Amino acid sequence: ILNVEQSPQSLHVQEGDSTNFTCSFPSSNFYALHWYRWETAKSPEALFVMTLNGDEKKKGRISATLNTKEGYSYLYIKGSQPEDSATYLCAPANAGGTSYGKLTFGQGTILTVHP
Amino acid sequence: DVKVTQSSRYLVKRTGEKVFLECVQDMDHENMFWYRQDPGLGLRLIYFSYDVKMKEKGDIPEGYSVSREKKERFSLILESASTNQTSMYLCASSLPSGNQPQHFGDGTRLSIL
Repeated sequence: ILNVEQSPQSLHVQEGDSTNFTCSFPSSNFYALHWYRWETAKSPEALFVMTLNGDEKKKGRISATLNTKEGYSYLYIKGSQPEDSATYLCAPANAGGTSYGKLTFGQGTILTVHP
Repeated sequence: DVKVTQSSRYLVKRTGEKVFLECVQDMDHENMFWYRQDPGLGLRLIYFSYDVKMKEKGDIPEGYSVSREKKERFSLILESASTNQTSMYLCASSLPSGNQPQHFGDGTRLSIL
């Protein structure tokens, strides 16, 4: 079982603040890194899938970076809004064999944005 | 729009019962997954299927089995339900690669009394 750590476990910010959180994962046998957003009473939704070291992806006010050599990824939210309140999950995928496509999820970062 | 449908949103069963959770996807995906989510533990993989009739154990398969007789349908079976299987269960599907996103159903909140 991969050791995937996300920090912080929870975060409270004010509307308009920018925020970021971290995902740490084993760098060996790396294939891809996924980020998902999970809002209450909804299903998890894919934000990004990143594969290359130094990769940077952006979707509106949310962006993510990837460092595969040291095994971490950052997720940034610029100008947080109450609708950004959700649990953010990261999940690395390892290469090889019938485990291809299998993800190991971190425990998530719970973000609450206060109006 | 892509769709993963889980048969029940809420389910209450008794200890010792055999419980079936059904999942159907309409995207012709090869991969299908069953996870459970418990507070503070994130999503943990129970079983994974990469083709019809093919399955692989995830991280916590004990007490569960699965069935995939058709490509679009993946069933999770609790052979003899126990109270420690009270949880949120999520089904997902994806194309057969680790660089493809997984698409999730809305989840089934299962309570075992």
